[in-house]
Amino acid sequence: SAVISQKPSRDICQRGTSLTIQCQVDSQVTMMFWYRQQPGQSLTLIATANQGSEATYESGFVIDKFPISRPNLTFSTLTVSNMSPEDSSIYLCSVAPRQDTEAFFGQGTRLTVV
Amino acid sequence: GQQLNQSPQSMFIQEGEDVSMNCTSSSIFNTWLWYKQEPGEGPVLLIALYKAGELTSNGRLTAQFGITRKDSFLNISASIPSDVGIYFCAGLLNGNKLVFGAGTILRVKS
Repeated sequence: SAVISQKPSRDICQRGTSLTIQCQVDSQVTMMFWYRQQPGQSLTLIATANQGSEATYESGFVIDKFPISRPNLTFSTLTVSNMSPEDSSIYLCSVAPRQDTEAFFGQGTRLTVV
Repeated sequence: GQQLNQSPQSMFIQEGEDVSMNCTSSSIFNTWLWYKQEPGEGPVLLIALYKAGELTSNGRLTAQFGITRKDSFLNISASIPSDVGIYFCAGLLNGNKLVFGAGTILRVKS
């Protein structure tokens, strides 16, 4: 399985500010994804990070709020923009090394907005 | 959207007991995955199931992919304290996207 490193592991941010989360993988992967896990909840897919093109967002998530970059096959960033307390969640990077197979997760970024 | 119904929501069991949890869906999945999440960590893959009817083991864990492709169960035999965590089922959609169950919180009394 791929080794996935996320930074930061946690942060406390002021409302109205933005935070960029980085995801670095130790090998080239075709597919990278960003998930959100709200407190006490399950995981929900935010978007698929596409290498060299705009991310594909799921219903309920928009690019202005969650801009995503993927400059190459080993790195992606997710920005949480203009944060409010409702954005307090764990944000998780995920990769799938091959089509139609299992996905692996980073350790997550625990975000608290005050 | 597609939803997975995972049960039970939580379990508090005695060390040494066996555990069973399951997921059902109104939709067909071609792949079922089971993950475990511990506090402060991301989900860790336990078992992946690719064929209907498939029964797969990983140590004390056994999972089955239902014949209808709409359900899966996970069993843990002879539970130990380090089994504590949240267990999630997930169905794999086109494009490698995952839809998750609500999770089963497992607590073990030693």
